[in-house]
Amino acid sequence: SYELTQPPSVSVSLGQMARITCSGEAVPKKYVYWYQQKPGQLPLLVIYRDNERSSGIPERFSGSSSGTVVTLTISGVQAEDEADYYCLSADSSGSYWVFGGGTKLTVL
Amino acid sequence: QVQLVQSGAEVKKPGASVKISCKASGYTFTGYPLHWVRQAPGQGLEWMGWINPKSGGTNYTQKFQGRVTLSRDTSISTAYMELSGLTSDDTALYHCATGVAATLLNAFDVWGQGTMVTVSS
Repeated sequence: SYELTQPPSVSVSLGQMARITCSGEAVPKKYVYWYQQKPGQLPLLVIYRDNERSSGIPERFSGSSSGTVVTLTISGVQAEDEADYYCLSADSSGSYWVFGGGTKLTVL
Repeated sequence: QVQLVQSGAEVKKPGASVKISCKASGYTFTGYPLHWVRQAPGQGLEWMGWINPKSGGTNYTQKFQGRVTLSRDTSISTAYMELSGLTSDDTALYHCATGVAATLLNAFDVWGQGTMVTVSS
């Protein structure tokens, strides 16, 4: 079955840049979506279609894609950005979706 | 506003089945796919499957094939997820989710509040 791979954890100092990657063989053909989830809260869509920022999401959040890897970048990380981040995409058929394993972002 | 409201928490014994409802409001129920996602305690998000509310067509991830059934009742704008053969590994928070913006291309940004299913003897 199709898989998306994320690093389990990323740590970054306050105000620095954080990059979270998500890789999958269908990534060049299917859009990737990024969700932020804080403890006890529902997931929040932050980036859709690889690089489009959802309404209300700060400009410091951006997405990019290169080959089989998409990257969520948070420029000037704030304390409130500490959360779990998940990528979501479909397989090459578009019929089955999958989440990456999630990345815990720690702000130092 | 677009809203998905799920049924309440369930406690089931191993081997039993559970059926969760998800009532949609604020949009045309048959116009957008509805996904089901679960999250076990302390674990990540897991996509289970989706249903086309207009046609009733479904796709299930391989892990749940044969155990999960998605259905809907368009007359009351409600979708259902039934999971059978429950084990303790199925203890999780189950969500329905949808997206009504064309730009989402079948992805989702609206979530039901979640239904906690606890499987315990």
